[in-house]
Amino acid sequence: EAQVTQNPRYLITVTGKKLTVTCSQNMNHEYMSWYRQDPGLGLRQIYYSMNVEVTDKGDVPEGYKVSRKEKRNFPLILESPSPNQTSLYFCASSLGRIGTDTQYFGPGTRLTVL
Amino acid sequence: GENVEQHPSTLSVQEGDSAVIKCTYSDSASNYFPWYKQELGKGPQLIIDIRSNVGEKKDQRIAVTLNKTAKHFSLHITETQPEDSAVYFCAARRNTGGFKTIFGAGTRLFVKA
Repeated sequence: EAQVTQNPRYLITVTGKKLTVTCSQNMNHEYMSWYRQDPGLGLRQIYYSMNVEVTDKGDVPEGYKVSRKEKRNFPLILESPSPNQTSLYFCASSLGRIGTDTQYFGPGTRLTVL
Repeated sequence: GENVEQHPSTLSVQEGDSAVIKCTYSDSASNYFPWYKQELGKGPQLIIDIRSNVGEKKDQRIAVTLNKTAKHFSLHITETQPEDSAVYFCAARRNTGGFKTIFGAGTRLFVKA
C-alpha cells in the first residue's frame, strides 16, 4: 500500500531534550516536506527536500533541522525543543514534477513540549 | 508575504444542502490550487485540484472554480452528506522555487443529518 508513515504518533517531552520524528514514504517520491498545524493557522511549511541531499527552509524553520540521506526517509529533528513547538506535525511527499503535484500526507505526530 | 485567506472558518449545513468555501490568494505566481479534506485524527487528503489554465473542474459532487484575475477560488460541495463533515483546507502553490505551498487556515464543515 502506498503510504507515508510517521513515528511516533504521539510524543510528550520536556524542554531541551533532543528528539527526532521519522518520516518514510514507499512511493519513490522525490519531494518531501514537513508542516506544522496549529489552530487558526492552517499548515505551515517547516522544511522541504527536492531530492536526496537537497533541503531548504520553508516558512517556519527556526528550531528545526532535517536531513535527506535516502530518498524514502526525511526525519525532522528538534535539537532543543521548546513549548512553542508544541504542535501537530505532518510529513508529506509528492513526485515533485510539474503536472504531478499531488501531495500525500502522513497521519501526523502530536508533540507536546513541557 | 504570501498568504491564502479562507472563509468561513466554520460552516454548518443540513444534509442535502450545498456548501461553499472561498479562498483568496496573494501570490500572482501561484498556478496550482489543491483542496484537502482532513478527518479527525488523520492527515489531509487531496479531494480536488485545479490548475491556472482552467476555470472550473468537477468530480461528482465536488467542484472547484478559479478566477485568476480576482485571485479567488472556491470549493462547492452539492448534496452534502454526514460523511462530508471534516476540516477543509485550500492551498495555492507555484511550480517553481521549491513548489512552495501556502495553506488557508481551514474550514470546519458540519453536515447535520
